Amino acid sequence: IAGITQAPTSQILAAGRRMTLRCTQDMRHNAMYWYRQDLGLGLRLIHYSNTAGTTGKGEVPDGYSVSRANTDDFPLTLASAVPSQTSVYFCASSPGGQNTEAFFGQGTRLTVV
Amino acid sequence: DQQVKQNSPSLSVQEGRISILNCDYTNSMFDYFLWYKKYPAEGPTFLISISSIKDKNEDGRFTVFLNKSAKHLSLHIVPSQPGDSAVYFCAASAATQGGSEKLVFGKGTKLTVNP
Repeated sequence: IAGITQAPTSQILAAGRRMTLRCTQDMRHNAMYWYRQDLGLGLRLIHYSNTAGTTGKGEVPDGYSVSRANTDDFPLTLASAVPSQTSVYFCASSPGGQNTEAFFGQGTRLTVV
Repeated sequence: DQQVKQNSPSLSVQEGRISILNCDYTNSMFDYFLWYKKYPAEGPTFLISISSIKDKNEDGRFTVFLNKSAKHLSLHIVPSQPGDSAVYFCAASAATQGGSEKLVFGKGTKLTVNP
């Protein structure tokens, strides 16, 4: 089934550890995004990529990094996790351009202890 | 400063009645608006959208209305069904030169449809 796959589904991580959340799409979409969802705060954009080889900062980029080596993959890395990064992380992709919707993965629930 | 606001955290309606979810925005550059539906433990799924050149878009039981002068949009669900119970997110985007549009989301409204 075409779509977006995120891994892992959930993770408990010790503070200070490094963690990479994986995201793969098979729709050949140009644009990809990482959002975090927190209670009462909705979905906030962390980083995005308009096309392979380019990335940009969203609303809450601090503590996170991304790379876009190819069209399909868009990993999100926490270099040194902190408890405030406990959240549900959603990867999304869109064809790009104007007036297009984004398609979301099923999410990764991350708990930093 | 929140650019997309959903001021009602929750809404409860009776099955068969109309559900009206509201959304306000502040950025006049937004030109495309979307509603997403989210069930627990799942990712958001696209529901319906509207371009700023329109004031209404309808898809089955779902209708979105846009009032540009008031910077307000609403989602109407009629008739409401128990399966519509979910969190609904309003989102908006603005055209950018040379890049893809980034969606800005509201905080969401939890809809409960009671049988």
